[in-house]
Amino acid sequence: NAGVTQTPKFQVLKTGQSMTLQCAQDMNHNSMYWYRQDPGMGLRLIYYSASEGTTDKGEVPNGYNVSRLNKREFSLRLESAAPSQTSVYFCASRVGAATYEQYFGPGTRLTVT
Amino acid sequence: AQTVTQSQPEMSVQEAETVTLSCTYDTSENNYYLFWYKQPPSRQMILVIRQEAYKQQNATENRFSVNFQKAAKSFSLKISDSQLGDTAMYFCAFMVGGSNYKLTFGKGTLLTVNP
Repeated sequence: NAGVTQTPKFQVLKTGQSMTLQCAQDMNHNSMYWYRQDPGMGLRLIYYSASEGTTDKGEVPNGYNVSRLNKREFSLRLESAAPSQTSVYFCASRVGAATYEQYFGPGTRLTVT
Repeated sequence: AQTVTQSQPEMSVQEAETVTLSCTYDTSENNYYLFWYKQPPSRQMILVIRQEAYKQQNATENRFSVNFQKAAKSFSLKISDSQLGDTAMYFCAFMVGGSNYKLTFGKGTLLTVNP
């Protein structure tokens, strides 16, 4: 039982390049979330998926797209990376229904030059 | 919109002593939850303690306890018998029940425990 896993752990991109951050959970959770963490800031919600087949915007969705591939996997795509997207990205999952605890992955540190 | 404010960017405490981290929040909701997360240098987000707004009793988890003042919209974290392993960034977070359970975080307090 690995919990929430994220790949890659580190990534360096050039401005304008694209990439997909992968997230998977093996806890049979229904809801999944993508957050970004910038220096001096708490985590901010980018997108979330309340259940398989649904996705919704969070607080800072611009420049990102997401795909809930199946119940286990929730990917975050940067189509044209910008230096402002340099950040640490966290994926989280939640059982669903009326439960509130979110379980976080280890994070991906992304640098855009 | 909900906001979470942590007014102490950094704090330090001596090993074995007690320290209190402050958090205030703003909301018009009645059904919500409050959390403290710990982020050590490993970067992993670890849930320390949670409080349901409808519960009057303050939550405790071993050396960690909260002082939840609903009317004042205050949610402070007390760490007793501080240990070196408590050195971390601590985030206060807020969640509205039934709103797809999205978390809103404060900016964090960096706590250093000195030997």
